[in-house]
Amino acid sequence: AQSVTQLDSQVPVFEEAPVELRCNYSSSVSVYLFWYVQYPNQGLQLLLKYLSGSTLVKGINGFEAEFNKSQTSFHLRKPSVHISDTAEYFCAVKGDTGRRALTFGSGTRLQVQP
Amino acid sequence: EPEVTQTPSHQVTQMGQEVILRCVPISNHLYFYWYRQILGQKVEFLVSFYNNEISEKSEIFDDQFSVERPDGSNFTLKIRSTKLEDSAMYFCASKDRLANEKLFFGSGTQLSVL
Repeated sequence: AQSVTQLDSQVPVFEEAPVELRCNYSSSVSVYLFWYVQYPNQGLQLLLKYLSGSTLVKGINGFEAEFNKSQTSFHLRKPSVHISDTAEYFCAVKGDTGRRALTFGSGTRLQVQP
Repeated sequence: EPEVTQTPSHQVTQMGQEVILRCVPISNHLYFYWYRQILGQKVEFLVSFYNNEISEKSEIFDDQFSVERPDGSNFTLKIRSTKLEDSAMYFCASKDRLANEKLFFGSGTQLSVL
């Protein structure tokens, strides 16, 4: 079984400041890792994913995340945020064998202030 | 970009009533999913569906729940006799093939059971 922990339920940040949204996971098997974003009144959209290869993955809208196996983390970063990045961000994990469903974290609300 | 469409966006029902949540997945997709998020909690997997049958389901998806693809476009989730604890945002998702790790989500149906 897998689980995901997003320690920060809300992250307020000023526009143009850097941000890091934290995600830790646990799993007994190798995993695929994902970040999804949910803008107000919209569905979840895939921001980026790690399946294999380079541990630094780049996604849409200038976001990137780094897979750290030893720390079982997959933190999301952006060097300079915009007002339009205000949204709910969900980290998710999926085992590369067996159950094919995603396991989500509880989400982090990123609030970008002018 | 093509979208997954969910109707209604909000549904209010009395405890014990049956509800049907509707989804129109992207037209060439073959794998369909329902997730839900109780307010303040994690997004939870309910069920996956492929080739007109359930391929996986979670512990949440008990006998009160059922899914159906009644025609070539709709994918429905039925709750036979709603309980207060069924109040949640329900998300439908789809993807085109098993190996594709990108899920497309609808914007959700907020179900309120009174």
